[in-house]
Amino acid sequence: DGGITQSPKYLFRKEGQNVTLSCEQNLNHDAMYWYRQDPGQGLRLIYYSQIVNDFQKGDIAEGYSVSREKKESFPLTVTSAQKNPTAFYLCASSIQPNTGELFFGEGSRLTVL
Amino acid sequence: GQNIDQPTEMTATEGAIVQINCTYQTSGFNGLFWYQQHAGEAPTFLSYNVLDGLEEKGRFSSFLSRSKGYSYLLLKELQMKDSASYLCAVRDPDGGSQGNLIFGKGTKLSVKP
Repeated sequence: DGGITQSPKYLFRKEGQNVTLSCEQNLNHDAMYWYRQDPGQGLRLIYYSQIVNDFQKGDIAEGYSVSREKKESFPLTVTSAQKNPTAFYLCASSIQPNTGELFFGEGSRLTVL
Repeated sequence: GQNIDQPTEMTATEGAIVQINCTYQTSGFNGLFWYQQHAGEAPTFLSYNVLDGLEEKGRFSSFLSRSKGYSYLLLKELQMKDSASYLCAVRDPDGGSQGNLIFGKGTKLSVKP
């Protein structure tokens, strides 16, 4: 079955540590996205990638980094520079950039202790 | 600027009909999406409107008026499993979001017996 897989589902981190969230898709979609969701807030775009080896900052990119070395993979690193990293992180993809619906992964919940 | 407004919470009775409204102010418009999100899970696509009018899909319908910057999601014959958050999202090709989806904060619907 095609879909988007995020891992880990739950992650705990100490302050000052970097952590990488995995996102893999086998839908053959060109575009991939990372969103952050906080209670009472809408989904906010962190980074997006329209094609392999290219990515763009979203609305809240500070303290995050990404890579897109393969079409299927778009990992997100939450660095120690991110001041409030505790959140629910959602990865998504779409067939082409800026068209069609988004398909979401199951999410990764990061808690900083 | 860009702004999407939805009610924060709504309550309805099993078997009834509920209408969830969404108003938006954006620089441009290229489609409005509705997603359903159960607590702790990924959003799933419900509907897409790009032209004015009503789109019906089973128990769910979505309406759009571009001149009023207004949409609603209509849920009929409510079931307990419809308890979830409903996210309104707009694609704005002319704003600062680079054509990516802009999400409202979501409406948490509680269906009671």
